[in-house]
Amino acid sequence: QSVLTQPPSASGTPGQRVTITCSGTISNIGSNTVNWYQQLPGTGPKLLIYSNNQRPSGVPDRFSGSKSGTSASLAISGLQSEDEADYHCAAWDDSLNGVIFGGGTKLTVL
Amino acid sequence: EVQLLESGGGLVQPGGSLRLSCAASGFTFTNYAMSWVRQAPGKGLEWVSTITGSGDTTYYADSVKGRFTIFRGNSMNALYLQMNSLRAEDTAVYYCAKGMVGSTTFDYWGQGTLVTVSS
Repeated sequence: QSVLTQPPSASGTPGQRVTITCSGTISNIGSNTVNWYQQLPGTGPKLLIYSNNQRPSGVPDRFSGSKSGTSASLAISGLQSEDEADYHCAAWDDSLNGVIFGGGTKLTVL
Repeated sequence: EVQLLESGGGLVQPGGSLRLSCAASGFTFTNYAMSWVRQAPGKGLEWVSTITGSGDTTYYADSVKGRFTIFRGNSMNALYLQMNSLRAEDTAVYYCAKGMVGSTTFDYWGQGTLVTVSS
């Protein structure tokens, strides 16, 4: 069982806006920044959002992140077929003294 | 271009040992912490271990503490994970990941190597 809670699945049609949530506690999201990783089928994860809302070079601005209290969100606007992937949130946990991940959300583009 | 290439995975019996390797290129290896993250079949990601750039400090998840050892060969630009007393629940794809400076963010990942623990 993952320490961070994500919905197992999400879906949308091309052009739509989709939001994926990540819920934690005061010892992780409440005290530290959140990262999001995109994992395309059969590949290793790729950093999508770091420090709650920062995009690495090359990540389209269709992807955005936010954090409030002990929850974080990843928003994808102008949904495209190539966005179909698994999305994982992550944060440092002060109690466990390690990085923790959510269970991952499988995004389907209908 | 940053590249991370894992190797060393395979089938091992419960109680056995395996050593994973990760060949790094495209960045100054000694300047960055490196980590191992695993993903059991059909499951989410699980952080396993981290080592600082100098190699003098290591961190482990409770699930592997005392059984796994992370180390690095900075002259070879290589990261390793020695896995002993393997259990069925260690079955996973193991990813090598590079850390961002001063952060627990993993900014580059390899393609992974599969470890299967089964009799």
